[in-house]
Amino acid sequence: SYELTQPPSVSVSPGQTASITCSGDKLGERYTCWYQQRPGQSPVMVIYQDNKRPSGIPERFSGSNSGNTATLTISGTQAMDEADYYCQAWDSTSVVFGGGTKLTVL
Amino acid sequence: QVQLQESGPGLVKPSETLSLTCTVSGGSISSHYWSWIRQPAGKGLEWIGHIYTSGNSNYNPSLKSRITMSVDTSKNQISLKLSSVTAADTAVYYCARGNSGSYNRWVYFYMDVWGKGSTVTVSS
Repeated sequence: SYELTQPPSVSVSPGQTASITCSGDKLGERYTCWYQQRPGQSPVMVIYQDNKRPSGIPERFSGSNSGNTATLTISGTQAMDEADYYCQAWDSTSVVFGGGTKLTVL
Repeated sequence: QVQLQESGPGLVKPSETLSLTCTVSGGSISSHYWSWIRQPAGKGLEWIGHIYTSGNSNYNPSLKSRITMSVDTSKNQISLKLSSVTAADTAVYYCARGNSGSYNRWVYFYMDVWGKGSTVTVSS
C-alpha cells in the first residue's frame, strides 16, 4: 500500500516561513492536498490539487509537488496557524493520509 | 453553504455494530463522493471509505470486511455501519464531501467540506 511520510513536528517564529513536507514514492505524479486541523476542530482543506487554494484560505498558504516530495508553505506565519497539518493523496482506489505534522508557532 | 452533521450512538458495546448517519444540508447530495474518516484521540486521520451517489464505493482494505456504506438521496443522508467493533474502533468519526476527477493524466481526490465529527466509544 502507498505511504505518505511527514515530520512529526515543525517549529517557526511568528512572521517567518514554515515549510511542511510530505514524502512518497513518485508523489509528484499524484495530486496532493493539505488539511489544517486546529485543536478540537474538524480538518479544513487549505490546498488541493498540489497548489490550489480554496476560497477563504489566506494567500500565505501555498503548495508545491515534485519528485517524491510535496510541500506546504506558510509565509508570514501567524499564531493562528498553529495546528496539525495532514497531506493526502489518492492511490488507485484509496485515500491515503500522511501521519500529520504539528506546527508550533514560537 | 453545504453543511454536514454526523449523528449516532456515542457508546457501542464490543462485538456490536457501530452505526452513524451523516445528514447533508444546504446543497445536493448528488454528483459527489461521501467519505468517512476517523481519528482516535491524539492520533492521525484514517480514511474509512467513501460512496458515490450512484452507490459505487471504495473502502479501506484494512476495514473492508466490516464496512457497509449507503446513500439515501431522498433524505440527503449517508450512513456508515462498522461491524464487530473493538476498543480500537474508539474514535471521532467524520463525514466529508469528496471531489474526484482527472487532470493532466492524473487522478485527484480531495475532501472540501467536513462535518464536526461524532465521538464513538467502544466499551462494555
